[in-house]
Amino acid sequence: GAVVSQHPSWVICKSGTSVKIECRSLDFQATTMFWYRQFPKQSLMLMATSNEGSKATYEQGVEKDKFLINHASLTLSTLTVTSAHPEDSSFYICSASRGAGGFSYEQYFGPGTRLTVT
Amino acid sequence: SQQGEEDPQALSIQEGENATMNCSYKTSINNLQWYRQNSGRGLVHLILIRSNEREKHSGRLRVTLDTSKKSSSLLITASRAADTASYFCATDARKTSGSRLTFGEGTQLTVNP
Repeated sequence: GAVVSQHPSWVICKSGTSVKIECRSLDFQATTMFWYRQFPKQSLMLMATSNEGSKATYEQGVEKDKFLINHASLTLSTLTVTSAHPEDSSFYICSASRGAGGFSYEQYFGPGTRLTVT
Repeated sequence: SQQGEEDPQALSIQEGENATMNCSYKTSINNLQWYRQNSGRGLVHLILIRSNEREKHSGRLRVTLDTSKKSSSLLITASRAADTASYFCATDARKTSGSRLTFGEGTQLTVNP
């Protein structure tokens, strides 16, 4: 149990276009979902936290108008990279947690999405 | 900011040897978790140790936690070539807003057959 999927697994887009990445919890309801970004040979950096039905909380330095997060249901969160630039090229990883506000410790991670902006 | 720092950054050993990776952190935590990541793939959760625990085992993995020194170690015994991956520690310093993981820089482990 506790499987998280991401779609697509990789995507190439042109500068200036927008790209949507989906994160789904397949066999559990995810009250909270997290979005991370990972540059090559670096660690994961938390971008934002989203709770179902409410606005996402963005980390300092992450532009909320550029990285649009929607968590409309308990099994789906989407990250849209708007007006993508080559510096947005990265590995984007989502995770999902059953609980919120301290009811669950474990995050279940998706397989990641490789975004390349040309 | 990242609070987890791991050492070594890279470790190369022979199959059958033990591998030890260390993680240090700066603030108080509720728990510390270790993850594994194969190149270009997602994270696999290995083990979670709570702040009131000192040692935990899972198969060939042994994790220790010293909250007085704000450090943790991951030991992989009898390593295999398939253990080759990056290993990250992540601290959960739970706040009223809920769970929030902060990842360390990671250790790249290479196990040579």
